[in-house]
Amino acid sequence: GAVVSQHPSRVICKSGTSVKIECRSLDFQATTMFWYRQFPKKSLMLMATSNEGSKATYEQGVEKDKFLINHASLTLSTLTVTSAHPEDSSFYICSARGLGLTNTEAFFGQGTRLTVV
Amino acid sequence: QKEVEQNSGPLSVPEGAIASLNCTYSDRGSQSFFWYRQYSGKSPELIMSIYSNGDKEDGRFTAQLNKASQYVSLLIRDSQPSDSATYLCAVKKTGNQFYFGTGTSLTVIP
Repeated sequence: GAVVSQHPSRVICKSGTSVKIECRSLDFQATTMFWYRQFPKKSLMLMATSNEGSKATYEQGVEKDKFLINHASLTLSTLTVTSAHPEDSSFYICSARGLGLTNTEAFFGQGTRLTVV
Repeated sequence: QKEVEQNSGPLSVPEGAIASLNCTYSDRGSQSFFWYRQYSGKSPELIMSIYSNGDKEDGRFTAQLNKASQYVSLLIRDSQPSDSATYLCAVKKTGNQFYFGTGTSLTVIP
């Protein structure tokens, strides 16, 4: 399958600070990227969908001012958790689909384990 | 109503048996269906995709789709301990979003 690289894999930050997570498509151009969060033993919750060059579409209940998504190029999307709080601690995963893939498959990054202390 | 529903399990089968995982979805207009496998602490890995009614086989895995019943399943033949994981059903709606079920935890007992 296609390769999606997510960085960092783990991050610990202090409450009130901001954290940026990067998601890169390494061997294809990602026209669409998805950001999910996953709590322990729970399923993936779609946070937002971003298309290259346009504003992200957020799911109901997700604060767009808290979770800033930028998809400025066909190979990179970033998620910034602003003014992080302990309840933001979670596993964040990106996935991407786009040019060079079958028309609907999406591939996942390795995920980022965020711990806010 | 949830977009995608799965029995959370846990499902336990003996090694060598067939494991059957089921999923239903709410949007009748959905066109694409996927099964992902997720090991604990890891990201999901795509194992099967299916787009039309009927069965699709890939090695020990068979995906089955019934759009009239809004039902998709995954069969794992000759189950191995390494198949022990959480299996996520995903549905791509008529827009661009993927929605996931809560996952079914499978344990294959040696």
